Amino acid sequence: QKEVEQDPGPLSVPEGAIVSLNCTYSNSAFQYFMWYRQYSRKGPELLMYTYSSGNKEDGRFTAQVDKSSKYISLFIRDSQPSDSATYLCAMSLIKAAGNKLTFGGGTRVLVKP
Amino acid sequence: GAVVSQHPSWVICKSGTSVKIECRSLDFQATTMFWYRQFPKQSLMLMATSNEGSKATYEQGVEKDKFLINHASLTLSTLTVTSAHPEDSSFYICSASEAGSYNEQFFGPGTRLTVL
Repeated sequence: QKEVEQDPGPLSVPEGAIVSLNCTYSNSAFQYFMWYRQYSRKGPELLMYTYSSGNKEDGRFTAQVDKSSKYISLFIRDSQPSDSATYLCAMSLIKAAGNKLTFGGGTRVLVKP
Repeated sequence: GAVVSQHPSWVICKSGTSVKIECRSLDFQATTMFWYRQFPKQSLMLMATSNEGSKATYEQGVEKDKFLINHASLTLSTLTVTSAHPEDSSFYICSASEAGSYNEQFFGPGTRLTVL
């Protein structure tokens, strides 16, 4: 069993719809959770960072963490074709520079105009 | 925001040759840099963690003699794929972490290596 599970997709939605992404993890010691967006043949870019259970909002993006269920989510409102990319969840044990991240497999999202 | 560059962005080489990939943090000092490998439609696989001035720590299953990592300064790390073979063809991505920051990693744009 992988430490972090993520549905590979592809997830296809019409423009303007809400995109819902999630990851489950098995290691309850994970404390810090991140969502990255990766366009084809590019490096990942950080979208959201959170370390507590609950919701965190940033523009059209909302990250949700449920530590009791070991489940995290990312919601994208009013999706745009430019949101078409692969979304990777990542998590770490401690909050310190140089700490390793454990990534999910990534979900490919297609937003159709 | 913090910018990380990689050079080259793509490289094609013959089997048996060595290839060097550079990773630079352009506007911050990266005390730690990470090297990842990514196969098509798969996630990032951590290869090694390097701290400036010290030897890299390799993940299990990664051959340290084949993938040489040097982190000689706070802004530059290099990955050398020695005696490359077609199975080494992949997308190699580096990331950098700044001292005193959270565990945020800033990723480079990646280098696509094709070994013929």
